[in-house]
Amino acid sequence: DAGVTQSPTHLIKTRGQHVTLRCSPISGHKSVSWYQQVLGQGPQFIFQYYEKEERGRGNFPDRFSARQFPNYSSELNVNALLLGDSALYLCASSFWGEGNQPQHFGDGTRLSIL
Amino acid sequence: ILNVEQSPQSLHVQEGDSTNFTCSFPSSNFYALHWYRWETAKSPEALFVMTLNGDEKKKGRISATLNTKEGYSYLYIKGSQPEDSATYLCALYTGFQKLVFGTGTRLLVSP
Repeated sequence: DAGVTQSPTHLIKTRGQHVTLRCSPISGHKSVSWYQQVLGQGPQFIFQYYEKEERGRGNFPDRFSARQFPNYSSELNVNALLLGDSALYLCASSFWGEGNQPQHFGDGTRLSIL
Repeated sequence: ILNVEQSPQSLHVQEGDSTNFTCSFPSSNFYALHWYRWETAKSPEALFVMTLNGDEKKKGRISATLNTKEGYSYLYIKGSQPEDSATYLCALYTGFQKLVFGTGTRLLVSP
């Protein structure tokens, strides 16, 4: 079975632009979480979705939004990009998104803002 | 702000050495503790999820223990190999569907 897949792998944008990142979970997994990882830090939680509904939100501004589709894939959208949004964005899936389940991560999307 | 701390920040050992790292967290916020291994140019890989005080888990040469009352977990690697070189992340689940990660311990094992 395929693992978690993310696209694109790399992306270069300029300040003020908008970006959409995509994630397909492992088949059968209904929960998708998004994380931002900047150099020297651990991944920071952005959102979790389960059955198309937002179940958790981290400490990120409203410029960040996400959604989950009926096939459980997900998009992360970031508006009005800032230099500080440059990071690796990781997607993770699990069966139900409960804390006693391991997260299965994709390879991430490397976003660079110029 | 919830703090999950990992030590040491980095570690360089020789092949065959055994090593261990620490993950510290506020004991009052505990639901579950996760350990992940993150090799360069790959995705983070789940090692263990621990939920009970006194829990011990093992996977090959890697094992972990958990003390929820004092708020720490240890990860042990017995007989380190170069392929164990990676960043080891712990993450605390505190409810509200949120995992809080530490900054990781970067392990380098030289042949």
